[in-house]
Amino acid sequence: QQQVKQSPQSLIVQKGGIPIINCAYENTAFDYFPWYQQFPGKGPALLIAIRPDVSEKKEGRFTISFNKSAKQFSLHIMDSQPGDSATYFCAASRDSGGYQKVTFGTGTKLQVIP
Amino acid sequence: DAGITQSPRHKVTETGTPVTLRCHQTENHRYMYWYRQDPGHGLRLIHYSYGVKDTDKGEVSDGYSVSRSKTEDFLLTLESATSSQTSVYFCAIQGTTTYEQYFGPGTRLTVT
Repeated sequence: QQQVKQSPQSLIVQKGGIPIINCAYENTAFDYFPWYQQFPGKGPALLIAIRPDVSEKKEGRFTISFNKSAKQFSLHIMDSQPGDSATYFCAASRDSGGYQKVTFGTGTKLQVIP
Repeated sequence: DAGITQSPRHKVTETGTPVTLRCHQTENHRYMYWYRQDPGHGLRLIHYSYGVKDTDKGEVSDGYSVSRSKTEDFLLTLESATSSQTSVYFCAIQGTTTYEQYFGPGTRLTVT
């Protein structure tokens, strides 16, 4: 199974709140889990990534939590700001003979209200 | 932006016409990818390349072909465009020392 399930589809939070986006996968061969941020009219930009041997990774206000046994991972945005309003994609990838086979979630549209 | 440009950025074409989209990179990366992005589907891989003249199919390759005659250029061709190919197309490169993929700015294609 190559699917990556992402929820919620959309999310509205107040400034300063902590939006949480969840993803689940089936294929245990995945060995790299990136998150991408996309603004309207732009390409997805790599935000933060984690490997399955780590349970948590923080970069600035962004944190990935990873639960290998449950095959789930999530993105938390601390002290969210209106500038964080964007669409967020989780992904899972594995090495496939050199190239990275990446499976993307369907995206979460986040709106942070001032 | 990882030195990736895409052209054109917007295109409107009629059903049945051929269309070629171009991806250009300036950093000599070996692996290049073409994705399409559609609401409710995320990004789906069309084709990828692992070197000059070396390409392979992704999960949604029907109706598309690619070519890579130079390291820096990866072309995506719709031989006979259909309305179902209306989408936003993104090119990506794979970092040389990491697993990350970096995306270009995209091409919005409308097939009428």
